[in-house]
Amino acid sequence: QSVLTQPPSVSGAPGQRVTISCTGSSSNIGAGYDVHWYQQLPGTAPKLLMYGNSNRPSGVPDRFSGSKSGTSASLAITGLQAEDEADYYCQSYDSSLSYWVFGGGTKLTVL
Amino acid sequence: EVQLVQSGAEVKKPGESLTISCKGSGYSFTTYWIAWVRQMPGKGLEWMGIIYPGDSDTRYSPSFEGQVTISADKSISTAYLQWSSLRASDTAMYYCGRIAAGGLGEVGYHMDVWGQGTTVTVSS
Repeated sequence: QSVLTQPPSVSGAPGQRVTISCTGSSSNIGAGYDVHWYQQLPGTAPKLLMYGNSNRPSGVPDRFSGSKSGTSASLAITGLQAEDEADYYCQSYDSSLSYWVFGGGTKLTVL
Repeated sequence: EVQLVQSGAEVKKPGESLTISCKGSGYSFTTYWIAWVRQMPGKGLEWMGIIYPGDSDTRYSPSFEGQVTISADKSISTAYLQWSSLRASDTAMYYCGRIAAGGLGEVGYHMDVWGQGTTVTVSS
């Protein structure tokens, strides 16, 4: 059981907007630690999608955006496309564990 | 191009030892931490440990301390993940990743470049 909680699955139709939440606590997200997001396409290695809560690495479309508030963070995807179908993971630092942690992951299905 | 290239798939028996590798190229290998991440079949990502190849400073996740050994040979830009006695429960995909620091120092660590993964299967 991860200290960062994500919904197991979300879905949306092409063109729609979806959000994926990452809920933590006062020892991680609520402590002000940055949240990062990774996209794992089927059968491939994870890829950095968002870092420092809301920063996109070069090459990541601006359809992807990140935000953080209180003890939670969110990844939003607008203009959903079939190639966005993947698993998404949030990641942060936890001061109680004194270590870095991933969320449990969310499977995005494009209907 | 910054790359991490991992060694190939392994099939082992319980009790055997194993070392898998992660070779960096296209950047200064000694100045970036490298992380190892486990992904068990059908499951999520688990952060195992990190190493700084410049001086081999190593930090293990509490969940993996004593279960694996992380090392590096900076002369050949390669990090390693080692088991002395494998168990069936070690069956997983293992990824290495280059760590980027972000603006908050180590609490902002995240992985900006990933290896392609190494599948480890442990079965009698």
